[in-house]
Amino acid sequence: AQKVTQAQTEISVVEKEDVTLDCVYETRDTTYYLFWYKQPPSGELVFLIRRNSFDEQNEISGRYSWNFQKSTSSFNFTITASQVVDSAVYFCALSAPNTNAGKSTFGDGTTLTVKP
Amino acid sequence: SAVISQKPSRDICQRGTSLTIQCQVDSQVTMMFWYRQQPGQSLTLIATANQGSEATYESGFVIDKFPISRPNLTFSTLTVSNMSPEDSSIYLCSAQIGMNTEAFFGQGTRLTVV
Repeated sequence: AQKVTQAQTEISVVEKEDVTLDCVYETRDTTYYLFWYKQPPSGELVFLIRRNSFDEQNEISGRYSWNFQKSTSSFNFTITASQVVDSAVYFCALSAPNTNAGKSTFGDGTTLTVKP
Repeated sequence: SAVISQKPSRDICQRGTSLTIQCQVDSQVTMMFWYRQQPGQSLTLIATANQGSEATYESGFVIDKFPISRPNLTFSTLTVSNMSPEDSSIYLCSAQIGMNTEAFFGQGTRLTVV
């Protein structure tokens, strides 16, 4: 079975601090896909990144960066120089074709609050 | 990418009634899903909406309670039947262009049952 664990339920930082959101996953598949989504107070989930299990390169997009490590089954998300607009719930998700027909399993989410 | 329009955005309903939520995608997609998100919690998959056939329900969800239609590749509906206060939640429609691709989400329907 697939499982995604986001151990941090809530994180609070002051603007301009860096913050890392942790994500640990479990799957028996050798091919799988990892995702991060942002859910601002408006409620709509916004896709941030997709990573496949064969690509362990870290990725940077502006203030966002992702660290994928298969050895520890982790896919952590770092926001550099956080801003108030980053306040949201962030979900990590896993999709594995053989286990779950492409459907995504979501973690419980981490609520990030960035204070001015 | 895909843009998803979901309506209504919110509703307050009486116990025992039913509500149908509509989900329209701006392009043809392979997969459509319905999720429930209870306050402060993660997303729970209700079912996969299959085009032209019966939906595939996850454990704990049944067709009588959550009938789903998907008449084509761009549209789906979810009905919450015989509602009780426990059904108060956010219901989210999502679509994937292909298997294992990213999911795009509608704005959600905030349902309150009184």
